[in-house]
Amino acid sequence: ETGVTQSPTHLIKTRGQQVTLRCSSQSGHNTVSWYQQALGQGPQFIFQYYREEENGRGNFPPRFSGLQFPNYSSELNVNALELDDSALYLCASSFPDRSGYGYTFGSGTRLTVV
Amino acid sequence: AQSVTQLDSHVSVSEGTPVLLRCNYSSSYSPSLFWYVQHPNKGLQLLLKYTSAATLVKGINGFEAEFKKSETSFHLTKPSAHMSDAAEYFCVVSDWGTGANNLFFGTGTRLTVIP
Repeated sequence: ETGVTQSPTHLIKTRGQQVTLRCSSQSGHNTVSWYQQALGQGPQFIFQYYREEENGRGNFPPRFSGLQFPNYSSELNVNALELDDSALYLCASSFPDRSGYGYTFGSGTRLTVV
Repeated sequence: AQSVTQLDSHVSVSEGTPVLLRCNYSSSYSPSLFWYVQHPNKGLQLLLKYTSAATLVKGINGFEAEFKKSETSFHLTKPSAHMSDAAEYFCVVSDWGTGANNLFFGTGTRLTVIP
């Protein structure tokens, strides 16, 4: 059973640029959620994708967008980067069950915006 | 809306002594509650979960937590701390309010274990 893989592990971007982060879900999982973890804070829910459709969104602006592919992998895109977007971005794959038990997290992508 | 409050941002214990990490929750209905651990440069690992079964929940690595509805608390404990327990711990509540089963994290408690 493979886990959740995120790429790249680190990257540095300039304010105003665009970035794409990638996530491969755990085998058998069809739901992917993205979280932003600012330094010293707990992760915050960005959005979730289920069967290639957005299935819930947190309090993030539209410049945060995503995709899910037929193999259930996912991308997080952020346009017009701001300094406050610097954070660890975590991806989690799961089954869409109510208990929330089946989440598997990746190690994250650390984004620095300068 | 669901939320959790972790009452201590930093806890320091000596190796071999008990650990107590405190968490209060706010929920309009019976919540699902979790504790996750995050080691440096690692992903989040589930320690234990409560989903309206037994109120005393046992997790991995000797951790356990007790759900107390009257106190709206879900504190994490361990009888004897080990050096490998040093990490960031997050109390988490699950919510379906947005149409998706997403997780709301507390701000975290950093556990330091002194040799």
